[in-house]
Amino acid sequence: DAGVTQSPTHLIKTRGQQVTLRCSPKSGHDTVSWYQQALGQGPQFIFQYYEEEERQRGNFPDRFSGHQFPNYSSELNVNALLLGDSALYLCASRVGANEQFFGPGTRLTVL
Amino acid sequence: GESVGLHLPTLSVQEGDNSIINCAYSNSASDYFIWYKQESGKGPQFIIDIRSNMDKRQGQRVTVLLNKTVKHLSLQIAATQPGDSAVYFCAEGWAAQKLVFGQGTRLTINP
Repeated sequence: DAGVTQSPTHLIKTRGQQVTLRCSPKSGHDTVSWYQQALGQGPQFIFQYYEEEERQRGNFPDRFSGHQFPNYSSELNVNALLLGDSALYLCASRVGANEQFFGPGTRLTVL
Repeated sequence: GESVGLHLPTLSVQEGDNSIINCAYSNSASDYFIWYKQESGKGPQFIIDIRSNMDKRQGQRVTVLLNKTVKHLSLQIAATQPGDSAVYFCAEGWAAQKLVFGQGTRLTINP
């Protein structure tokens, strides 16, 4: 079992650009959540996907959007990047009310 | 507002000693609490969880204590080893929804 995988590992973008991050959940998991972790901070919830729909959303602007595919994999899109969007983006998956498993994250740097 | 906080941002212990990391939470409706370990450059790794109908749960070398009266959570690590050096986060959740993370405590093991 590969666990939660994320791609790419690192990414450098400039202000105003758009970025897409990808996540494959742990085998058997159907719920995917995305978190943003700024340096030295705890992860902050962005949104959660289940059955290809956004089920819950944190306090993030509409520039942050996502998608879940029929195979449960997910994408996080961020438009009009700001310097403050630089962070580690974490994907977590679970099934039911069980524990969430996190992926290694994608380190996004906005210049 | 919702928040999960930690009493100490850093903790330094001698190898072989027991470590205790504390956490305060603010949402009395939270029914699920988790401790994660995060090593540099990696995603959070699940350590142990506890539901609100319990006050203690033990794992391998770790124990989580939950005091709902004062909304306090603690993680005890027995016989601390060098590999335990990391940042530890507590997180709270409810109704299988999003997790709210604290700021983290950096645990350093002295030889």
